[in-house]
Amino acid sequence: DGGITQSPKYLFRKEGQNVTLSCEQNLNHDAMYWYRQDPGQGLRLIYYSQIVNDFQKGDIAEGYSVSREKKESFPLTVTSAQKNPTAFYLCASTPGQLREKLFFGSGTQLSVL
Amino acid sequence: SQKIEQNSEALNIQEGKTATLTCNYTNYSPAYLQWYRQDPGRGPVFLLLIRENEKEKRKERLKVTFDTTLKQSLFHITASQPADSATYLCALVLNQGGKLIFGQGTELSVKP
Repeated sequence: DGGITQSPKYLFRKEGQNVTLSCEQNLNHDAMYWYRQDPGQGLRLIYYSQIVNDFQKGDIAEGYSVSREKKESFPLTVTSAQKNPTAFYLCASTPGQLREKLFFGSGTQLSVL
Repeated sequence: SQKIEQNSEALNIQEGKTATLTCNYTNYSPAYLQWYRQDPGRGPVFLLLIRENEKEKRKERLKVTFDTTLKQSLFHITASQPADSATYLCALVLNQGGKLIFGQGTELSVKP
């Protein structure tokens, strides 16, 4: 079955620690996205990548970093500079640049210890 | 200011009734609007897309309307079932730059 796989489902971060969230897709989609979801708020775009080896900052990129070394993989690192990292993180993809239909993974809940 | 708003209060309805969810926006120029369903602890799932020149779109028990004059989209689920209980998100794709803006979602609960 084609889809997007996010791991882990739950992640705990200690203060001062960097953590990496995994996102893998086998849909052969060019574009991939990372969103953050907080209770009572709409999804907010962190980073996106429209092609391998290229990515752009979204609306709330500070304290996060990404890489896109392979078409199917788009990992997100939450650095120690992100002071309020507790949130539900969602990875998504689209076939091309048009955001007509996003395919989402099942999310990673990140909490601070 | 620009904003997109959905009813923040949960919508509770009886099984078999029609559920109507609202998505309002201000100061955006959307190319099209999307609706997604999200279950607790899961990622959103795409349901429907309606373009700015379309008034209405249907898919099985779902109907979406889009009024660019009122700056509003209505999402209807007819003959609702308990399995329809979830949070529903609307999202605008803007004409300029193709940016995607999500509403905060409305929780729907259908009681048997």
